[in-house]
Amino acid sequence: SQKIEQNSEALNIQEGKTATLTCNYTNYSPAYLQWYRQDPGRGPVFLLLIRENEKEKRKERLKVTFDTTLKQSLFHITASQPADSATYLCALRAAGGFKTIFGAGTRLFVKA
Amino acid sequence: DVKVTQSSRYLVKRTGEKVFLECVQDMDHENMFWYRQDPGLGLRLIYFSYDVKMKEKGDIPEGYSVSREKKERFSLILESASTNQTSMYLCASSGTGFSYNEQFFGPGTRLTVL
Repeated sequence: SQKIEQNSEALNIQEGKTATLTCNYTNYSPAYLQWYRQDPGRGPVFLLLIRENEKEKRKERLKVTFDTTLKQSLFHITASQPADSATYLCALRAAGGFKTIFGAGTRLFVKA
Repeated sequence: DVKVTQSSRYLVKRTGEKVFLECVQDMDHENMFWYRQDPGLGLRLIYFSYDVKMKEKGDIPEGYSVSREKKERFSLILESASTNQTSMYLCASSGTGFSYNEQFFGPGTRLTVL
């Protein structure tokens, strides 16, 4: 069955450092990979999308890579700030499919 | 900005009750979704609607039904609530074409079934 794996352990980093979150998937061939941010008690908020034929995408302090051979995406936040503390969800969708499947997320804590 | 609103933030119901969760979006989106979110399981799709009166089952439709009579409104119905339906319920909407990929979520309804 299709599976998305995100590190269930929280990631703790110091302010100013780069946070790197990992998303691995199996039994799936996504055309689109998305990252969302979710704050406690809130709905997810869309951050970035990368397509299968793109290796890397950037938006301000965010960078996403997508390796379809390794079946992995890395999500980087550079110069992290305490306000970046949240849970980050990885999501995948196949071309033409209506379902987006979501990972369980990784909790990030950025200490001042 | 897209705004997706849900009728309640917190809801407590008893086993066997009929429960209605309502979702309204204000951006004229064709597509609307209902998910439930449980710790360690991620978001799981319950139902999807791509037009008024049109729906598709998601991964976990058992025990749920939906209604979409108007484009902006998508309702989730628990016909006879059970304790295993205690969860966070999230509604989302999106546009068509490439915009389908960006889902806008509501704040969620935390439902407790006693």
